[in-house]
Amino acid sequence: AQSVTQPDIHITVSEGASLELRCNYSYGATPYLFWYVQSPGQGLQLLLKYFSGDTLVQGIKGFEAEFKRSQSSFNLRKPSVHWSDAAEYFCAVGGQGGKLIFGQGTELSVKP
Amino acid sequence: GAVVSQHPSRVICKSGTSVKIECRSLDFQATTMFWYRQFPKQSLMLMATSNEGSKATYEQGVEKDKFLINHASLTLSTLTVTSAHPEDSSFYICSASTTLAGGYEQFFGPGTRLTVL
Repeated sequence: AQSVTQPDIHITVSEGASLELRCNYSYGATPYLFWYVQSPGQGLQLLLKYFSGDTLVQGIKGFEAEFKRSQSSFNLRKPSVHWSDAAEYFCAVGGQGGKLIFGQGTELSVKP
Repeated sequence: GAVVSQHPSRVICKSGTSVKIECRSLDFQATTMFWYRQFPKQSLMLMATSNEGSKATYEQGVEKDKFLINHASLTLSTLTVTSAHPEDSSFYICSASTTLAGGYEQFFGPGTRLTVL
């Protein structure tokens, strides 16, 4: 069965520190992978996506993610976190019929 | 581009009444729209997939007679919560789908907060 696991429910980092949010997926074929960010009471904003090609994907707001097929992972990274990055982050894999399968989400808090 | 709107952003209603939520793709045509429900501190739960001109496909456990979905055009889908009860209070998010470079991508609306008293 298709699934997405985000092992970390909540992460706290200091402003200016680096960030890595983990995402593991289970999918039979070549996956379409996404990272979204959600601020409280808001919809989802796409940070980046992977369909094919270069496994290191650059996104908006200085985020990047690397697709590692051997590890079934698509971890999100940012070299220097800003206070405005505090939000909920969702990893998702594209399933049949264009459906998205979401992970449980990781809440990011940023310490000043 | 690829903007999706939802209306209303917030709605409060009395138990037993019906509420309609609109989802519009503003600058592109979406053959498929999705409706999600999100409880506090939880992930998005797919409720149904809506294709223009055809009946919606509901996920297991979602009552189709309670959550009526209409997708009358390539830019508009509506979700009607019928005979709403307090347990229907939630954050409802829609998305509109298009294909890009051989893959699907969903663009999300800002969500609708429903509170049933």
